[in-house]
Amino acid sequence: EAEVAQSPRYKITEKSQAVAFWCDPISGHATLYWYRQILGQGPELLVQFQDESVVDDSQLPKDRFSAERLKGVDSTLKIQPAELGDSAMYLCASRTREGLDNEQFFGPGTRLTVL
Amino acid sequence: SQKIEQNSEALNIQEGKTATLTCNYTNYSPAYLQWYRQDPGRGPVFLLLIRENEKEKRKERLKVTFDTTLKQSLFHITASQPADSATYLCALRLNSGYSTLTFGKGTMLLVSP
Repeated sequence: EAEVAQSPRYKITEKSQAVAFWCDPISGHATLYWYRQILGQGPELLVQFQDESVVDDSQLPKDRFSAERLKGVDSTLKIQPAELGDSAMYLCASRTREGLDNEQFFGPGTRLTVL
Repeated sequence: SQKIEQNSEALNIQEGKTATLTCNYTNYSPAYLQWYRQDPGRGPVFLLLIRENEKEKRKERLKVTFDTTLKQSLFHITASQPADSATYLCALRLNSGYSTLTFGKGTMLLVSP
C-alpha cells in the first residue's frame, strides 16, 4: 500500500543550528501539506502546495522557516536557525488534488528536539 | 474567534461498551468534518468524512453525526476493543479557500479489557 515517506524520523539539534526535513508523498498526489504538532495539540498547518506552487503559507514563520517542492513531487522543510520552541513533531501529508472531498494521508512524522 | 473543542480529558471505558467522543466548534461554517485516529509517535490516519448536509455516517463499528445547528459532531465506536485505544482528532474543512483542515486537540480514548 502506498505511503507518505518522511525522513529523518528523529532529529536532535542545538538552537541556532539549521535543520531540514524531507517528504515524499504518495505517487500522483498533487497536494502536499506540512504540519507542526506540539505534544498534546492537534496538527497545525504550516504550508500547503498544489503541485510545485505554494497555495497557503500564512502560518509559516517565514523569518526562519522555508519550504520547497521544486518538481512538484517531494518536498523539503527547513528551519534556520532552530529555536527551543520549534521542538515538535513535523508531519507531512498528501492528497490527490485540490477540489476533491477526500482524506489526507499522513506520513510517520519527524520528531524534532531542539536543545 | 474560531474554536474547535474536543474533550480535553482522556475517556476511559470498558471493552465492549460504546465510546462517544465530542467535537464542538464555534464561528466556523464547515463544508465537512473529518475524524482521524492517531497512535503515539505516528501520523494521523483518516477514519470518516461527513458533509454539512449529512446527519450521520457509518463505517463498520464507527458512526459519526453532524449537527450544524448545535455546531457539534459526535463520534461513536461500538463494541469497543483495547485496540481502539488511541487519540481521536476531529478536523474541519471550511467552505471557502483551499482544502485546509483545522484540527482539534484530540481526545485520548483508553479501552480496558
